[in-house]
Amino acid sequence: GEDVEQSLFLSVREGDSSVINCTYTDSSSTYLYWYKQEPGAGLQLLTYIFSNMDMKQDQRLTVLLNKKDKHLSLRIADTQTGDSAIYFCAELVLGFGNEKLTFGTGTRLTIIP
Amino acid sequence: EADIYQTPRYLVIGTGKKITLECSQTMGHDKMYWYQQDPGMELHLIHYSYGVNSTEKGDLSSESTVSRIRTEHFPLTLESARPSHTSQYLCASLRSGVSTEAFFGQGTRLTVV
Repeated sequence: GEDVEQSLFLSVREGDSSVINCTYTDSSSTYLYWYKQEPGAGLQLLTYIFSNMDMKQDQRLTVLLNKKDKHLSLRIADTQTGDSAIYFCAELVLGFGNEKLTFGTGTRLTIIP
Repeated sequence: EADIYQTPRYLVIGTGKKITLECSQTMGHDKMYWYQQDPGMELHLIHYSYGVNSTEKGDLSSESTVSRIRTEHFPLTLESARPSHTSQYLCASLRSGVSTEAFFGQGTRLTVV
């Protein structure tokens, strides 16, 4: 079955880059997502990447995908205090109409002033 | 901008009451999901639907039930609420296809006293 894993905590100094990592199970056809959740709020979709891509960049966010190692990372450049949140990696496995969206445990990002 | 809405945002209710959490989306998405999340914890899939009249149980056993009579609505019902049901409930939707983005509602924070 699908399994998505993340480290639970990450602390980064303001202005530095944050790199949040995720590993996922083997799937031939998969979308991989990064979501941000602030305290008491729902999940905000940050970005996503299809499994046939290696990299996607969107302003301060860079997603890198290593298909061989089944490893996904999210890099946040110039980390700000507003980036403090829990970041979830999620995997969507495509099938014959039975797609299931599976989440990792979430990584709590703390910004050090 | 995601057009998926959950009501109510917050609910405090007594033990034994019947409650329905609403989830609506105006994006025409066929797939919808309910997740349960305890504070600061990972998301657990409790129900999902592939379309009208389709409902499936998720990975985490739940005493709640769901229905999908219309594409836009995916309500979740607890026939008799208990304190163990206290949690945050998040609804999500997506449309499978070339570009698959999954969007979340703001969540319903349920407290059963």
